[in-house]
Amino acid sequence: KAGVTQTPRYLIKTRGQQVTLSCSPISGHRSVSWYQQTPGQGLQFLFEYFSETQRNKGNFPGRFSGRQFSNSRSEMNVSTLELGDSALYLCASSLQGATRETQYFGPGTRLLVL
Amino acid sequence: DQQVKQNSPSLSVQEGRISILNCDYTNSMFDYFLWYKKYPAEGPTFLISISSIKDKNEDGRFTVFLNKSAKHLSLHIVPSQPGDSAVYFCAASPFNGKLTFGQGTILTVHP
Repeated sequence: KAGVTQTPRYLIKTRGQQVTLSCSPISGHRSVSWYQQTPGQGLQFLFEYFSETQRNKGNFPGRFSGRQFSNSRSEMNVSTLELGDSALYLCASSLQGATRETQYFGPGTRLLVL
Repeated sequence: DQQVKQNSPSLSVQEGRISILNCDYTNSMFDYFLWYKKYPAEGPTFLISISSIKDKNEDGRFTVFLNKSAKHLSLHIVPSQPGDSAVYFCAASPFNGKLTFGQGTILTVHP
């Protein structure tokens, strides 16, 4: 079974631009969660999508948004980029998104904002 | 408000010795705890978990200990191997809640 894939793997943007990141979950997985990883902050939860609906949301500004398609693929969008948005963005998928389910992570998209 | 804290940013251990990674949490509603391992250029992978009804869970060389009264968990790796060198994240969640991760600890195992 193919793992979680994320595209692109690397991205360089400038302040004020917007960016869209993509995540394809493991086949059959319906829950996709997004995390931001920065040095010293660890992984911070952005949001979770299940069956095309946002089910949980972390403490990030409205510039961060996402969506999920009927095939469970998910996209994350960041508008009006700031220098502090430079980070590794990880997505993780699981079957139902239940608390005790193992999440499978993709390799991440490294975003650099100049 | 960091509800899950890994106070040691890094740990260096000799091959064959024990590695002990620590994690503290503040939210008393957390009842499920996990450890993930992350290699460079890869996503985190699940390592081991423990429910709050237990105080120890073992899986081969990896053992997780949970001290609920101290709100503390630790991961023991015995014996440590160079391939264990990675970033280790602890994570916790309340029942039906989202996972909260710590900042991570970089483990280096020297041959």
